[in-house]
Amino acid sequence: DAGITQSPRHKVTETGTPVTLRCHQTENHRYMYWYRQDPGHGLRLIHYSYGVKDTDKGEVSDGYSVSRSKTEDFLLTLESATSSQTSVYFCAISDRGLGGYTFGSGTRLTVV
Amino acid sequence: KQEVTQIPAALSVPEGENLVLNCSFTDSAIYNLQWFRQDPGKGLTSLLLIQSSQREQTSGRLNASLDKSSGRSTLYIAASQPGDSATYLCAVPGANNLFFGTGTRLTVIP
Repeated sequence: DAGITQSPRHKVTETGTPVTLRCHQTENHRYMYWYRQDPGHGLRLIHYSYGVKDTDKGEVSDGYSVSRSKTEDFLLTLESATSSQTSVYFCAISDRGLGGYTFGSGTRLTVV
Repeated sequence: KQEVTQIPAALSVPEGENLVLNCSFTDSAIYNLQWFRQDPGKGLTSLLLIQSSQREQTSGRLNASLDKSSGRSTLYIAASQPGDSATYLCAVPGANNLFFGTGTRLTVIP
């Protein structure tokens, strides 16, 4: 979707290294989310943000941290990547109102 | 915790058929319901968003209905095409999350 972009689109990294994924929005939405999608588990919420510097944990937050210093950017950091964090990561935005949720195109992360 | 279920899990139909995908949810205190499409290896594309005050929404060959009291939504696809082949997900918002259904994988055979 044009209003939300994720980078990088693909990444391969080694176990134990830190990794940062970026989500950028141009919709000025207050709420931003990071999900991971895995076969058999569907989409699971990692962290979300309800404003600049306001973040909270989702159901699978262990091993992940987030930061939001500007309305438009939401960063997801894998502090020390593990093979279990190999997944497709999606960012989403919402105005919690009439617009529903909009998802980014995803980042495919492989930890080797 | 909200639980969202979709039936059937997979569906294969010949081109041109009309079809219905079902979504049920356990907590009817929702303010909207959203239907998404996901192609293999791709992101989620929003198809239809139904506010709790609405009964249905239409977009082209797609029509989605919402019955909050019974905890059900249906997605109707008219005159299916091979390009409709994808996984369809329904989702309802919680306090700070979006609860997804298990998905229906649709295959439209030319």
